[in-house]
Amino acid sequence: KAGVTQTPRYLIKTRGQQVTLSCSPISGHRSVSWYQQTPGQGLQFLFEYFSETQRNKGNFPGRFSGRQFSNSRSEMNVSTLELGDSALYLCASSLPAGDGGELFFGEGSRLTVL
Amino acid sequence: TQLLEQSPQFLSIQEGENLTVYCNSSSVFSSLQWYRQEPGEGPVLLVTVVTGGEVKKLKRLTFQFGDARKDSSLHITAAQPGDTGLYLCAGGRYSSASKIIFGSGTRLSIRP
Repeated sequence: KAGVTQTPRYLIKTRGQQVTLSCSPISGHRSVSWYQQTPGQGLQFLFEYFSETQRNKGNFPGRFSGRQFSNSRSEMNVSTLELGDSALYLCASSLPAGDGGELFFGEGSRLTVL
Repeated sequence: TQLLEQSPQFLSIQEGENLTVYCNSSSVFSSLQWYRQEPGEGPVLLVTVVTGGEVKKLKRLTFQFGDARKDSSLHITAAQPGDTGLYLCAGGRYSSASKIIFGSGTRLSIRP
């Protein structure tokens, strides 16, 4: 079956702009989580959605937001971009409760903020 | 705060050598996953261990979960250039992603 699809793969923005990233989970997976990965901080949890509801949120400012649609596809948005937002943004899908914590990641969206 | 420490952070060895990567915590996890990430790609799940003392093998890779479910190790026998990548361990207490803690990773380079 198809894996997790993230778009776009690469994008360049300037400070102050906003960006929207998209994620299509594996068919049948209803949970989608987002991570920010940087060389210095590693993988940092952003938020998790399940059945269109945000279940948990990491320690990121309100400029980072997301949503999930009825077909389980998810988007995340970053407003008023800062240089420090440059990172690889990873989306992961998983089965509902009882999955043992296994995450299936997309290839990521690499954001560069100039 | 839960913390997963991986060691070493970087490892560069010759093809054919053996190596072990460690993942340690003071917290107990209900399950632990190992992922491998190649440059420009997302992490790929290698294995999940859930029982204290559990050992799983994936070809030349051997994964072990500590008896107390606080630590894990990954041993690679006869490393090959294709093993190169960032190895991440992740521990979870519940199935919710927010309860999954990732280690800082071990960057492995295998020289031909």
